Amino acid sequence: AQTVTQSQPEMSVQEAETVTLSCTYDTSESDYYLFWYKQPPSRQMILVIRQEAYKQQNATENRFSVNFQKAAKSFSLKISDSQLGDAAMYFCAYRSAISGTYKYIFGTGTRLKVLA
Amino acid sequence: NAGVTQTPKFQVLKTGQSMTLQCAQDMNHEYMSWYRQDPGMGLRLIHYSVGAGITDQGEVPNGYNVSRSTTEDFPLRLLSAAPSQTSVYFCASSYSRGNEQYFGPGTRLTVT
Repeated sequence: AQTVTQSQPEMSVQEAETVTLSCTYDTSESDYYLFWYKQPPSRQMILVIRQEAYKQQNATENRFSVNFQKAAKSFSLKISDSQLGDAAMYFCAYRSAISGTYKYIFGTGTRLKVLA
Repeated sequence: NAGVTQTPKFQVLKTGQSMTLQCAQDMNHEYMSWYRQDPGMGLRLIHYSVGAGITDQGEVPNGYNVSRSTTEDFPLRLLSAAPSQTSVYFCASSYSRGNEQYFGPGTRLTVT
């Protein structure tokens, strides 16, 4: 069975600095999708970034980028120029691409604090 | 375009009571799902649907029922609430398997 592990329950970063949140996963599948979601105190889940496993190029969205290492089964999120509004819980998620399945597995989350 | 809406936002139930959490989306998404979020456990899939009339169990389906009579609505029913069902519940929808999921604002449910 697939698993997603976020080994950092909490991280802190100074405003304007860079922080990296780690995520590892375990799967025997070759095709899948990976996501990072942000959950601010409002509780609303918001997509940060998405990566397709068959694409070697790392996804980027403005200040957010990922380091996708398929062989190592690692999917870390880098936040550059951290802002106070980045403070939130961040969840890594795995989604199988196998037709007929709907496995969507979330990690336990990393709480990011941004220090002014 | 309201996205994914959930009602109610908060609910307190007594053990043994039943209730339905409502979820609706106006994006014509085929895929809809229900999750529960518990401290330290991330989100866990309860039930999901890949289209009207088609539902299936997720990781933690016991104690919950769902139906999907229309593309827009996907209610979650608790037939006999138990304290173990105290949680925050999220409904989500997506256009396809690989696309991002859009989440509702969540329902905080407390069972006493």
